[in-house]
Amino acid sequence: ETGVTQTPRHLVMGMTNKKSLKCEQHLGHNAMYWYKQSAKKPLELMFVYNFKEQTENNSVPSRFSPECPNSSHLFLHLHTLQPEDSALYLCASSQEGAGLTYNEQFFGPGTRLTVL
Amino acid sequence: KQEVTQIPAALSVPEGENLVLNCSFTDSAIYNLQWFRQDPGKGLTSLLLIQSSQREQTSGRLNASLDKSSGRSTLYIAASQPGDSATYLCAVRGAQKLVFGQGTRLTINP
Repeated sequence: ETGVTQTPRHLVMGMTNKKSLKCEQHLGHNAMYWYKQSAKKPLELMFVYNFKEQTENNSVPSRFSPECPNSSHLFLHLHTLQPEDSALYLCASSQEGAGLTYNEQFFGPGTRLTVL
Repeated sequence: KQEVTQIPAALSVPEGENLVLNCSFTDSAIYNLQWFRQDPGKGLTSLLLIQSSQREQTSGRLNASLDKSSGRSTLYIAASQPGDSATYLCAVRGAQKLVFGQGTRLTINP
């Protein structure tokens, strides 16, 4: 596997279900991100993890719960979602650090989530 | 609050033409600007990254320019091909946060 991978690629869930999205990066990066892409809206940053520590929560509802067990893996746990949460969820990674030029973010293919 | 605007929202041109996509941003205090390509239902592919100290970057038929003081960037595509059809997104980076435009949907007609 290379780059950033995401599973599953497609997910359909009911509003009472609990599911998780998984992201794995094979680039040796130390920062990972969750983004949401809804129809007709720009990509929105949800969460940022640096060295496994959450450094940003962009006012995301608590029904979305991120987890970063190590610098290569990132999860997004979902529970009691609403139909308006249906979107493409994208994971990204980058290499960050003091004194480094701010680097590119590399994106995974996304998980297409449909909430019924 | 940083806002990124891409004009036009959609563009359709015949194959072989050179074209320019535009991106503007409201806060010039950026670290870098990235151009991405997104195919329908897919993730983002990074095309070019311009650091705030740079004026342009080139990769193959693509050339991106950055004028930080005026809050503008352009993506120039030379000799367009049907395979260039996709949505092109620009994103500016402040601290660790990328702020995206809504994209330009490009169609290259054979």
